[in-house]
Amino acid sequence: GDSVTQMEGPVTLSEEAFLTINCTYTATGYPSLFWYVQYPGEGLQLLLKATKADDKGSNKGFEATYRKETTSFHLEKGSVQVSDSAVYFCALSDRKDSSYKLIFGSGTRLLVRP
Amino acid sequence: GAVVSQHPSWVICKSGTSVKIECRSLDFQATTMFWYRQFPKQSLMLMATSNEGSKATYEQGVEKDKFLINHASLTLSTLTVTSAHPEDSSFYICSALSVGGYTFGSGTRLTVV
Repeated sequence: GDSVTQMEGPVTLSEEAFLTINCTYTATGYPSLFWYVQYPGEGLQLLLKATKADDKGSNKGFEATYRKETTSFHLEKGSVQVSDSAVYFCALSDRKDSSYKLIFGSGTRLLVRP
Repeated sequence: GAVVSQHPSWVICKSGTSVKIECRSLDFQATTMFWYRQFPKQSLMLMATSNEGSKATYEQGVEKDKFLINHASLTLSTLTVTSAHPEDSSFYICSALSVGGYTFGSGTRLTVV
């Protein structure tokens, strides 16, 4: 079945460092890909998404490019801030059998130190 | 934007009792809602897909008789944990699907004592 694999955390960075969180997926169709963020004590928020190959999603300085050839959707940010500390989830939606269920990766905890 | 209200945000119940969690789409109609369970420091596990007016579709390994899902209207889905036990303690999150995408509730922390 469909699945999402994320790099294990926690990832600890100093403020203004470059961030990469790896995400790869397995799907039989043509999925849409998402990154969600969960701040401490809060619910999930959509960070960015891409619906087809070579699309780049971006928001709040974060970017991810849908790479069909490598089945990847890595999250990047050029300069992280302390406020970016959160758990980041990669997810896919494959729309098979009229099902629009969202499948999540295991999540990667990011801790940014001042 | 789309808002999903989940209630209660936390609940403590005694072992053997049942607990109902509500998920409402406040400003849109959701023909499809999803229920997830999140264990501490782990990912969200999809429990079931709920379609308005029809029976929920449960993921493999999820007990449908224990986790009763009702989606009686386009704005409300409920999850009832029946005969709860301590191992059912977890964080439950609902999500509603609209043309704008997926909107998540803020979650319900269930503690069974």
